[in-house]
Amino acid sequence: EVQLLESGGGLVQPGGSLRLSCAASGFTFRNYAMSWVRQAPGKGLEWVSGITGSGGKTYYADSEKGRFTISRDNSKNTLYLQMNSLRHEDTAVYYCAKDGYSSGWPRGFDFWGQGTLVAVFS
Amino acid sequence: DIQMTQSPSSLSVSVGDRVIIACQASQDINTSLNWYQQKPGEAPQLLIYDAFNLQIGVPSRFSGGGSGTDFTFTISSLQPEDVATYYCQQYDNLPLTFGGGTRVEI
Repeated sequence: EVQLLESGGGLVQPGGSLRLSCAASGFTFRNYAMSWVRQAPGKGLEWVSGITGSGGKTYYADSEKGRFTISRDNSKNTLYLQMNSLRHEDTAVYYCAKDGYSSGWPRGFDFWGQGTLVAVFS
Repeated sequence: DIQMTQSPSSLSVSVGDRVIIACQASQDINTSLNWYQQKPGEAPQLLIYDAFNLQIGVPSRFSGGGSGTDFTFTISSLQPEDVATYYCQQYDNLPLTFGGGTRVEI
């Protein structure tokens, strides 16, 4: 059974940093691209960042470039998102999502974690 | 970025009704489109991939169609457990982008 368990969310002041983690199990982690998708309170879904199965290529939405860094440790079956210079508008539930296609660039998500809440306020 | 426009944004229907949701892309995306269902308080779930393929385990009352810029998502006979918000998502180009969602209520 595929499981994705996010952690690391919490309350942070504007300008602060957080590191999200996603522990994966139930599939061959290195064989699939992974992504982070967020959802602000009462709003729709927004893709944040993705990474290939090997970790060799990373991709970002424009608003996160330079502030967020996605990475993975295939020996630990874990995905990460380092978030710096956080803003009020980054407040959201952050989902870890497994790509349903391949290890290449992100395309679509067949499994999602339950999400971790990041709240940015002063 | 490719913009995805869903319509309607919400609809109220009855059990057994046929539901059709439209999704329009701002440029040709061939069939590079997925549909998700998100129930209140839950993570999204993939229902349709590559515009018309039903994900394993998803009931056959759900279907998708279209190509290029215009797509549809259909529930042939709405069930009470189908109350949710539905999203389309394109993967023809990065960044991946989602439609704004369609809330289906009874």
